[in-house]
Amino acid sequence: AQKVTQAQTEISVVEKEDVTLDCVYETRDTTYYLFWYKQPPSGELVFLIRRNSFDEQNEISGRYSWNFQKSTSSFNFTITASQVVDSAVYFCALSEVLAAGNKLTFGGGTRVLVKP
Amino acid sequence: SQTIHQWPATLVQPVGSPLSLECTVEGTSNPNLYWYRQAAGRGLQLLFYSVGIGQISSEVPQNLSASRPQDRQFILSSKKLLLSDSGFYLCAANRRTEAFFGQGTRLTVV
Repeated sequence: AQKVTQAQTEISVVEKEDVTLDCVYETRDTTYYLFWYKQPPSGELVFLIRRNSFDEQNEISGRYSWNFQKSTSSFNFTITASQVVDSAVYFCALSEVLAAGNKLTFGGGTRVLVKP
Repeated sequence: SQTIHQWPATLVQPVGSPLSLECTVEGTSNPNLYWYRQAAGRGLQLLFYSVGIGQISSEVPQNLSASRPQDRQFILSSKKLLLSDSGFYLCAANRRTEAFFGQGTRLTVV
C-alpha cells in the first residue's frame, strides 16, 4: 500500500528565513507521481508542483524549490526567504497509476508559520 | 481547464440529520473523483474514490456513503450524522496526472 509521511507537523520561522519541508513516501509502483499542495487558512488546496517518478531533476520556481531523491524515496520542498504569505499547511501527495485510474494519497501535512 | 464546484461552503447540521454534499466537475470527461475529509488540525483522509459512473470504492468504514450518478457528479451522503462527522470535506478530480480540488465544505455537526 502507498504511504506518505510528513514528519514535521509544524514549523515556525521568522520572515526571510529558509524553510524545508520533508516528505517521504512508500510505493511498490515503478511509475508514480508526487505532488505538493498549499492549503492557506481559507481551506482550498492550491497545486504547487507535480513530479513523475522518472524525472529526478530538481526544480526551482521563484522562491520554491523541490528536491526529489528516488534513492531515499523523498520529495522535499524548500521555501527560500520565507514571507508571511507563505504561512499555510503544506501537503505532499503520491499518485499511483492504477489500471483504472490514479489514487491520491496525502501526507499528514506540515503547518508553516512565518512570523514578521 | 477543469473546475470543481462544491456546495455548500459551510453547513451546520444536528446529530441524526441526513447529509448530502454535491460535487460537479467541468472541463474534463471521465475523471477519477474523490472525497476527502480533513478533521480540525489534521491531514487529508481519503473517504471514497470513483473511477466511473456507479463505481465507488470506500477507503475507511464509516457513517458515510458516496454515489456517482453521472460522469461528472459525485455525491457524499449520510442517513444520520454523528458528531464525529464534523470536518472539512474536499472533492477532488484527477484526470491522468492532474488533480484539482473544490473549495471545500466545512461541516459542523451539533
